[in-house]
Parts: sequence; structure tokens; C-alpha cells
Amino acid sequence: EVQLVESGGGLVQPGGSLRLSCAASGFTFSFYWMSWVRQAPGKGLEWVANIKEDGSEKYYVDSVKGRFTISRDNAKKSLYLQMNSLRAEDTAVYYCARDDYFGDWGQGTLVTVSS
Amino acid sequence: QSALTQPASVSGSPGQSITISCTGTSSDVGSYDFVSWYQQHPGKAPKLMIYEASKRPSGVSNRFSGSKSGNTASLTISGLQAEDEADYYCCSYAGSRLFGGGTKLTVL
Repeated sequence: EVQLVESGGGLVQPGGSLRLSCAASGFTFSFYWMSWVRQAPGKGLEWVANIKEDGSEKYYVDSVKGRFTISRDNAKKSLYLQMNSLRAEDTAVYYCARDDYFGDWGQGTLVTVSS
Repeated sequence: QSALTQPASVSGSPGQSITISCTGTSSDVGSYDFVSWYQQHPGKAPKLMIYEASKRPSGVSNRFSGSKSGNTASLTISGLQAEDEADYYCCSYAGSRLFGGGTKLTVL
């Protein structure tokens, strides 16, 4: 059974940083592109970033370019999202998802940016 | 890129059929059959219902079907049930991943 478990969310002040993690199991992690998708409170889904199987290609939505960095450790079967210069509009539940049609999702971790 | 366009809400009675549209451009929805649909109940993670415009993952009811014509994809739910009440999102994954704004389905 595929499992994706996010962690690292919390309350952070504007301008602060946070690192999210996603632990994967139940599939060969190194064979798949992976994504982060977020959902602001009461709003729709927004794709944030994705990363190729070997980490050699990374793509971001325009609103986070230069502030967020996606990475992975295939040996640890883990996906990461380093978030810097956080803004109020980054407040959301952040999901990691396997990038093959987003067929599998974690339960999400809440990031709140507020003073 | 702007989000794909979905109606904000649709409704139907039990047993009826409804269709949710998802309109994009020739650069996303219209370029390939890389369109997927997700169901999301309150407080839950999204669930994949349709991929590659019309394919159903194992375990998804055959009451759910998808199609695409030009720059518009559609999700049809037949034989509406109370449990189908949820938010539905389309997504184009031709190149950059782009979601629709979501449609709230109410089962009357």
C-alpha cells in the first residue's frame, strides 16, 4: 500500500522559513517524479513544485520561484520542501503527491504564516 | 498561467446524472489527453477519479466517466448518490501542472 506522510508544518512569522518533509513507502520512490500541492483554507488546489526521479529537474509555480526549493533523498525515500521568505498567502495545507496523475496523496501538513 | 475554468457549483438529485466542465486552452487541456479529475471530501486529501481524460483507476466506480473535446474536459457522474457530494477538481498535467478552481457538487 502506498503511503505518503508529510511533516514539518506549523506556525511561522512572515519572512520566516520552514522545511516540510514527506516520507514515502509502499512503492519504489526513486522511480517517480514527486510533487508538492497546496490548498489555502477554503480554496482550491494549487500545484507548487515537482522534481524528477533523480532530482536533476525541478519546476515551480511562479509565485514561489526563488523562495521555495524542492529536493529529495532517494536513499531515505523522502521528499522535501524548503520554504523561505514566507508570506501570509503561503498559508495552506501542503500535500505531497506522486506525480503520476497525482494518484496518491499524503494527509497534508498545515503551514500558517502569521505574526 | 491561469487556473482552468470550472463552474463553482453544480447540483443534482439522487439517481440523476451531472456533468462538470473544465475549460483550458490549446496549451494545456487542448494539447494532450493529460487531464485528470479529483474528488475531495471536507478535511480529506483529494482522490484520483479519472486520468488521461477518460481512464478510471482501479476501485473507482464506473458511475464516473471522463471525456475531452478540444480545450474542454468533462466529468460525468451518473446515478448520483449522497456520498458523491464533494468538491471536484480537474488538472492538466501537460507540462506544468494546472488545476481548475474546483466545483462543489451538491446532492439534493
